[in-house]
Amino acid sequence: AQSVSQHNHHVILSEAASLELGCNYSYGGTVNLFWYVQYPGQHLQLLLKYFSGDPLVKGIKGFEAEFIKSKFSFNLRKPSVQWSDTAEYFCAVNALYGNNRLAFGKGNQVVVIP
Amino acid sequence: GAGVSQSPSNKVTEKGKDVELRCDPISGHTALYWYRQSLGQGLEFLIYFQGNSAPDKSGLPSDRFSAERTGGSVSTLTIQRTQQEDSAVYLCASSPRNTGIGNTEAFFGQGTRLTVV
Repeated sequence: AQSVSQHNHHVILSEAASLELGCNYSYGGTVNLFWYVQYPGQHLQLLLKYFSGDPLVKGIKGFEAEFIKSKFSFNLRKPSVQWSDTAEYFCAVNALYGNNRLAFGKGNQVVVIP
Repeated sequence: GAGVSQSPSNKVTEKGKDVELRCDPISGHTALYWYRQSLGQGLEFLIYFQGNSAPDKSGLPSDRFSAERTGGSVSTLTIQRTQQEDSAVYLCASSPRNTGIGNTEAFFGQGTRLTVV
């Protein structure tokens, strides 16, 4: 079964700083990849997704992620964060034609200081 | 409905009691997922439904946990003889089809916060 690793569980940074969150997965086959965000008191919502094609995908609110197949990675980036980006970020992976399980990482708690 | 709806939003129960958590998926979504979210533990997969059948129950942590789905719509997660370690937020998600066989995403509900005292 696929597994997902997210490092640096707690991230604190100032507004306008750049953000990069790492995501690595373990599965040798074809995958669909997702980043979800959970703002304080809100439900999980999709930030961006990769199914196929251009490995650099752009999502909402200025976020982007790059799929590097050789590294089994799908890192999330934002060049300049805002206070409103304070949230928990989850990477998720679904193996195509595998066990049909959408597997999540443990999440990154990001706090942006004004 | 417009989104995934879960009820109750909060549940406090005494240790040893049974609880039922309900999930109303988005209309027409055939795939339904249950997850458990504990502080610092991310989302723990519990069970997945395709229609009314559950091809993957391997995430259920013990035989005290069970789930069913009827009419390809509403799902109920039941926890019998609750323990304090069952305290968590239980999340439900649905998608138009299995996210593993089609290019689709899962849509999440607000969750049910379960507290066992």
